[in-house]
Amino acid sequence: AQTVTQSQPEMSVQEAETVTLSCTYDTSESDYYLFWYKQPPSRQMILVIRQEAYKQQNATENRFSVNFQKAAKSFSLKISDSQLGDAAMYFCAYRSPSNYQLIWGAGTKLIIKP
Amino acid sequence: AAGVIQSPRHLIKEKRETATLKCYPIPRHDTVYWYQQGPGQDPQFLISFYEKMQSDKGSIPDRFSAQQFSDYHSELNMSSLELGDSALYFCASSPLGVRGSAQETQYFGPGTRLLVL
Repeated sequence: AQTVTQSQPEMSVQEAETVTLSCTYDTSESDYYLFWYKQPPSRQMILVIRQEAYKQQNATENRFSVNFQKAAKSFSLKISDSQLGDAAMYFCAYRSPSNYQLIWGAGTKLIIKP
Repeated sequence: AAGVIQSPRHLIKEKRETATLKCYPIPRHDTVYWYQQGPGQDPQFLISFYEKMQSDKGSIPDRFSAQQFSDYHSELNMSSLELGDSALYFCASSPLGVRGSAQETQYFGPGTRLLVL
């Protein structure tokens, strides 16, 4: 069975600086999808970025980018120029192409210091 | 852009009562997913439907049932409610697309907060 691990329960960063959130996963599959979701205090679950395992190029979305290391089974999220609105719980999630559910990490709480 | 709609947004029930949560997916999305998120926890997958058929099943209690209707909306029925059922219930939707397309992404609704007293 696949598992997702986020080893940082909480991270803090100064506004305008860069922060990296870690995620590792365990799978025997070669094809899969990885996601980062953001959950602010409103508890809405918002997609931040996605990565297909067969793509070597790291995904980017404006200030958000990932470092996908398939061999190491690592999928970290880098947030550049951190803003107060980035404060949230960030979840890493894995999806197999053979089933429908997302498998989630425990989440990392990101605190932005003004 | 249209998003996933969930109703009600908040619900308070007594133990042993029943509850029905509704989910309206994004237009042209044919797959619906239900997740349960307890306080301070990550979401737990309950069940999913594709084209009105159950497509995957997770840790859904036997007291819960769900279905997807012809207009693709879905309902989660919860009976004999227990205190431990208090949680945020998310519905997500996606179109079932070809490999590599954006359709595999699940888009989440705002959730229904259920409190069982």
